[in-house]
Amino acid sequence: RKEVEQDPGPFNVPEGATVAFNCTYSNSASQSFFWYRQDCRKEPKLLMSVYSSGNEDGRFTAQLNRASQYISLLIRDSKLSDSATYLCVVNMGDSNYQLIWGAGTKLIIKP
Amino acid sequence: GAVVSQHPSWVICKSGTSVKIECRSLDFQATTMFWYRQFPKQSLMLMATSNEGSKATYEQGVEKDKFLINHASLTLSTLTVTSAHPEDSSFYICSARVAAYYEQYFGPGTRLTVT
Repeated sequence: RKEVEQDPGPFNVPEGATVAFNCTYSNSASQSFFWYRQDCRKEPKLLMSVYSSGNEDGRFTAQLNRASQYISLLIRDSKLSDSATYLCVVNMGDSNYQLIWGAGTKLIIKP
Repeated sequence: GAVVSQHPSWVICKSGTSVKIECRSLDFQATTMFWYRQFPKQSLMLMATSNEGSKATYEQGVEKDKFLINHASLTLSTLTVTSAHPEDSSFYICSARVAAYYEQYFGPGTRLTVT
Protein backbone atom coordinates (compact mmCIF):
# COMPACT_ATOMS: atom_id res chain seq x y z
CA ARG A 1 0.00 0.00 0.00
CA LYS A 2 1.32 3.44 -0.92
CA GLU A 3 1.97 5.82 1.93
CA VAL A 4 -0.14 8.54 0.33
CA GLU A 5 -2.77 7.54 -2.20
CA GLN A 6 -4.68 9.73 -4.58
CA ASP A 7 -6.96 9.07 -7.51
CA PRO A 8 -4.82 10.12 -10.49
CA GLY A 9 -7.83 11.30 -12.49
CA PRO A 10 -8.13 13.15 -14.72
CA PHE A 11 -11.24 14.79 -13.38
CA ASN A 12 -12.97 16.62 -16.22
CA VAL A 13 -15.24 19.23 -14.69
CA PRO A 14 -17.27 22.04 -16.26
CA GLU A 15 -16.43 25.57 -15.26
CA GLY A 16 -18.44 26.69 -12.24
CA ALA A 17 -18.91 23.22 -10.84
CA THR A 18 -17.80 21.96 -7.45
CA VAL A 19 -15.19 19.22 -7.32
CA ALA A 20 -13.74 17.25 -4.42
CA PHE A 21 -10.63 15.12 -4.10
CA ASN A 22 -9.77 12.67 -1.38
CA CYS A 23 -6.40 11.41 -0.30
CA THR A 24 -5.60 8.62 2.15
CA TYR A 25 -2.41 8.23 4.15
CA SER A 26 -1.01 5.20 5.94
CA ASN A 27 1.12 6.67 8.75
CA SER A 28 -1.10 7.28 11.75
CA ALA A 29 1.70 9.30 13.38
CA SER A 30 1.55 12.00 10.68
CA GLN A 31 0.78 15.41 12.12
CA SER A 32 0.99 17.87 9.24
CA PHE A 33 -0.93 17.81 5.99
CA PHE A 34 -0.88 19.96 2.90
CA TRP A 35 -2.34 20.42 -0.53
CA TYR A 36 -0.02 21.67 -3.26
CA ARG A 37 -0.88 22.39 -6.86
CA GLN A 38 1.47 21.80 -9.73
CA ASP A 39 0.98 23.22 -13.20
CA CYS A 40 2.42 21.42 -16.19
CA ARG A 41 6.22 21.70 -16.28
CA LYS A 42 6.26 23.97 -13.23
CA GLU A 43 7.21 23.60 -9.59
CA PRO A 44 4.66 22.65 -6.90
CA LYS A 45 3.12 25.57 -5.04
CA LEU A 46 1.62 25.40 -1.58
CA LEU A 47 -2.15 25.72 -1.82
CA MET A 48 -3.22 25.05 1.75
CA SER A 49 -2.03 23.64 5.00
CA VAL A 50 -4.71 21.37 6.46
CA TYR A 51 -5.62 21.93 10.08
CA SER A 52 -7.36 19.42 12.28
CA SER A 53 -10.50 21.54 12.47
CA GLY A 54 -10.67 21.96 8.72
CA ASN A 55 -9.98 25.23 7.00
CA GLU A 56 -11.26 27.36 4.19
CA ASP A 57 -9.52 29.79 1.88
CA GLY A 58 -11.88 31.43 -0.55
CA ARG A 59 -13.24 28.77 -2.88
CA PHE A 60 -11.05 26.06 -1.36
CA THR A 61 -11.92 23.98 1.69
CA ALA A 62 -9.70 21.33 3.23
CA GLN A 63 -10.82 18.70 5.72
CA LEU A 64 -8.90 16.18 7.79
CA ASN A 65 -10.30 12.94 9.14
CA ARG A 66 -7.71 11.40 11.43
CA ALA A 67 -9.81 8.40 12.38
CA SER A 68 -10.11 7.31 8.77
CA GLN A 69 -6.76 8.79 7.77
CA TYR A 70 -7.93 10.84 4.85
CA ILE A 71 -7.73 14.42 3.71
CA SER A 72 -10.09 16.12 1.32
CA LEU A 73 -9.98 19.21 -0.85
CA LEU A 74 -13.14 20.87 -2.11
CA ILE A 75 -13.07 23.47 -4.86
CA ARG A 76 -16.24 25.51 -5.37
CA ASP A 77 -17.16 27.57 -8.42
CA SER A 78 -14.24 26.11 -10.35
CA LYS A 79 -12.34 28.35 -12.76
CA LEU A 80 -10.40 27.47 -15.88
CA SER A 81 -7.26 28.51 -14.00
CA ASP A 82 -7.88 25.76 -11.44
CA SER A 83 -6.76 23.21 -14.03
CA ALA A 84 -3.64 21.63 -12.54
CA THR A 85 -2.43 18.57 -10.70
CA TYR A 86 -3.25 18.63 -6.99
CA LEU A 87 -0.73 16.95 -4.71
CA CYS A 88 -1.63 15.60 -1.30
CA VAL A 89 1.33 15.83 1.07
CA VAL A 90 1.83 14.39 4.53
CA ASN A 91 4.73 14.57 6.95
CA MET A 92 6.43 11.36 7.99
CA GLY A 93 5.57 11.78 11.66
CA ASP A 94 9.18 11.91 12.74
CA SER A 95 11.62 14.73 13.40
CA ASN A 96 13.41 14.97 10.09
CA TYR A 97 10.71 17.13 8.45
CA GLN A 98 10.51 15.08 5.30
CA LEU A 99 7.24 15.09 3.45
CA ILE A 100 5.58 12.20 1.68
CA TRP A 101 4.09 13.20 -1.66
CA GLY A 102 1.07 11.72 -3.33
CA ALA A 103 1.30 11.17 -7.06
CA GLY A 104 -1.33 13.85 -7.65
CA THR A 105 -4.84 14.19 -9.03
CA LYS A 106 -5.16 15.86 -12.38
CA LEU A 107 -8.01 18.34 -12.72
CA ILE A 108 -9.18 19.73 -16.05
CA ILE A 109 -11.77 22.49 -15.98
CA LYS A 110 -13.68 22.75 -19.24
CA PRO A 111 -15.40 25.93 -20.46
CA GLY B 1 7.46 35.88 1.46
CA ALA B 2 9.10 32.43 1.22
CA VAL B 3 10.62 32.92 -2.20
CA VAL B 4 13.09 30.38 -3.50
CA SER B 5 15.11 30.94 -6.64
CA GLN B 6 16.88 28.34 -8.72
CA HIS B 7 19.46 28.80 -11.41
CA PRO B 8 19.74 27.95 -14.23
CA SER B 9 16.15 27.35 -15.27
CA TRP B 10 17.25 25.11 -18.08
CA VAL B 11 20.52 23.68 -19.29
CA ILE B 12 21.67 21.49 -22.14
CA CYS B 13 25.00 19.77 -21.72
CA LYS B 14 27.02 17.06 -23.38
CA SER B 15 27.38 13.60 -21.94
CA GLY B 16 30.29 13.38 -19.52
CA THR B 17 30.24 16.99 -18.39
CA SER B 18 29.17 18.30 -14.97
CA VAL B 19 26.37 20.72 -14.25
CA LYS B 20 25.87 22.82 -11.12
CA ILE B 21 22.42 23.98 -10.04
CA GLU B 22 22.00 26.68 -7.41
CA CYS B 23 19.08 27.02 -5.02
CA ARG B 24 18.64 30.16 -2.92
CA SER B 25 16.10 31.20 -0.34
CA LEU B 26 15.68 34.92 -1.02
CA ASP B 27 13.73 36.26 1.93
CA PHE B 28 14.22 33.70 4.68
CA GLN B 29 16.86 31.50 6.20
CA ALA B 30 16.30 27.90 5.23
CA THR B 31 16.95 25.38 7.96
CA THR B 32 16.73 22.53 5.50
CA MET B 33 16.82 22.30 1.74
CA PHE B 34 15.59 19.37 -0.30
CA TRP B 35 16.43 18.25 -3.80
CA TYR B 36 13.90 16.44 -5.95
CA ARG B 37 13.76 15.17 -9.48
CA GLN B 38 10.69 14.61 -11.55
CA PHE B 39 10.33 12.68 -14.79
CA PRO B 40 7.49 13.53 -17.19
CA LYS B 41 4.07 12.58 -15.86
CA GLN B 42 5.57 11.13 -12.69
CA SER B 43 5.50 12.29 -9.12
CA LEU B 44 8.26 14.10 -7.29
CA MET B 45 11.10 11.89 -6.13
CA LEU B 46 13.15 13.09 -3.17
CA MET B 47 16.86 12.77 -3.87
CA ALA B 48 18.42 14.21 -0.75
CA THR B 49 17.92 16.36 2.31
CA SER B 50 20.54 18.86 3.35
CA ASN B 51 21.01 20.99 6.44
CA GLU B 52 23.37 23.95 6.48
CA GLY B 53 26.89 22.95 7.39
CA SER B 54 26.13 19.22 7.39
CA LYS B 55 26.53 16.45 4.87
CA ALA B 56 23.45 15.75 2.83
CA THR B 57 21.34 12.68 3.53
CA TYR B 58 20.67 10.81 0.32
CA GLU B 59 17.66 8.65 -0.42
CA GLN B 60 18.14 5.02 -1.21
CA GLY B 61 19.27 4.50 -4.76
CA VAL B 62 20.65 8.02 -5.24
CA GLU B 63 24.41 8.02 -5.83
CA LYS B 64 26.03 10.60 -3.59
CA ASP B 65 29.20 10.67 -5.69
CA LYS B 66 27.20 11.49 -8.77
CA PHE B 67 24.87 14.07 -7.23
CA LEU B 68 27.05 16.30 -5.08
CA ILE B 69 25.21 18.55 -2.69
CA ASN B 70 26.76 21.47 -0.87
CA HIS B 71 24.77 23.51 1.64
CA ALA B 72 27.25 26.21 2.55
CA SER B 73 24.90 28.75 4.09
CA LEU B 74 21.35 29.15 5.34
CA THR B 75 20.34 30.62 2.00
CA LEU B 76 22.26 28.60 -0.57
CA SER B 77 22.45 24.96 -1.58
CA THR B 78 23.97 23.59 -4.75
CA LEU B 79 23.50 20.32 -6.61
CA THR B 80 26.21 19.22 -9.01
CA VAL B 81 25.40 16.45 -11.45
CA THR B 82 28.79 14.95 -12.24
CA SER B 83 29.62 13.11 -15.45
CA ALA B 84 26.08 13.59 -16.68
CA HIS B 85 24.49 10.99 -18.95
CA PRO B 86 21.31 11.15 -21.03
CA GLU B 87 19.41 9.20 -18.36
CA ASP B 88 20.09 12.08 -15.94
CA SER B 89 17.91 14.33 -18.11
CA SER B 90 15.08 15.39 -15.84
CA PHE B 91 13.41 18.27 -14.02
CA TYR B 92 15.37 19.04 -10.86
CA ILE B 93 13.59 21.07 -8.18
CA CYS B 94 14.83 22.33 -4.85
CA SER B 95 12.73 23.30 -1.88
CA ALA B 96 13.43 24.95 1.44
CA ARG B 97 11.81 24.99 4.85
CA VAL B 98 12.10 27.16 7.93
CA ALA B 99 12.80 25.84 11.42
CA ALA B 100 9.79 24.30 13.19
CA TYR B 101 7.61 24.33 10.07
CA TYR B 102 6.92 21.46 7.72
CA GLU B 103 5.86 23.53 4.70
CA GLN B 104 8.32 23.43 1.83
CA TYR B 105 8.67 26.26 -0.66
CA PHE B 106 9.92 25.38 -4.09
CA GLY B 107 12.26 26.94 -6.57
CA PRO B 108 11.07 27.12 -10.18
CA GLY B 109 13.09 24.07 -11.14
CA THR B 110 15.88 23.33 -13.58
CA ARG B 111 15.24 21.36 -16.72
CA LEU B 112 18.38 19.40 -17.56
CA THR B 113 18.89 17.81 -20.96
CA VAL B 114 22.01 15.72 -21.50
CA THR B 115 22.84 15.00 -25.13
